[in-house]
Amino acid sequence: GIQVEQSPPDLILQEGANSTLRCNFSDSVNNLQWFHQNPWGQLINLFYIPSGTKQNGRLSATTVATERYSLLYISSSQTTDSGVYFCAVVGNAGNMLTFGGGTRLMVKP
Amino acid sequence: GAGVSQSPRYKVAKRGQDVALRCDPISGHVSLFWYQQALGQGPEFLTYFQNEAQLDKSGLPSDRFFAERPEGSVSTLKIQRTQQEDSAVYLCASSLLAQVEAFFGQGTRLTVV
Repeated sequence: GIQVEQSPPDLILQEGANSTLRCNFSDSVNNLQWFHQNPWGQLINLFYIPSGTKQNGRLSATTVATERYSLLYISSSQTTDSGVYFCAVVGNAGNMLTFGGGTRLMVKP
Repeated sequence: GAGVSQSPRYKVAKRGQDVALRCDPISGHVSLFWYQQALGQGPEFLTYFQNEAQLDKSGLPSDRFFAERPEGSVSTLKIQRTQQEDSAVYLCASSLLAQVEAFFGQGTRLTVV
């Protein structure tokens, strides 16, 4: 099946700093989503982005499908951005999301 | 509500007990998925429904796991004779169609003691 790798696995930032999270996948995809899992375990949709670039406030994402990677940018980070960020893709072989291992972000005040 | 709803939020079961976890998807969503998330890991696929048809159950870890969606809306994941290794968060997701944006419920945290 398709493989999804996220980097870095852990990230500690000072409030106000910017960061880039990366997601690499091993095959072509029909769907790519970025999620934020909050401390209560809820997966919150950030972006549905199988290709191209999208922005939502301080967050933006870019997927380069031909090169099999996606990037999530967080600018002016806030303590509420802390949590785990997951990238998940749907490959050509099925309909389910395959998740990466996540990036655990801690933003310090 | 407008989102995916799961119940119960927390379940403690004694080893050997049967449990049933409920998922109420977003109204009108054809596709429904169950995932299992172990502590510190990403969610892993269990099973997929399109309306009432279970089209993929390749992720179910054993024959103790059973899922149904009889009327194409609410789904139930049943685990028989629970074992300690079944302790995890069980997440349900729905999407309007296959391979488009999926939305997740809050999950059910199952602890088997």
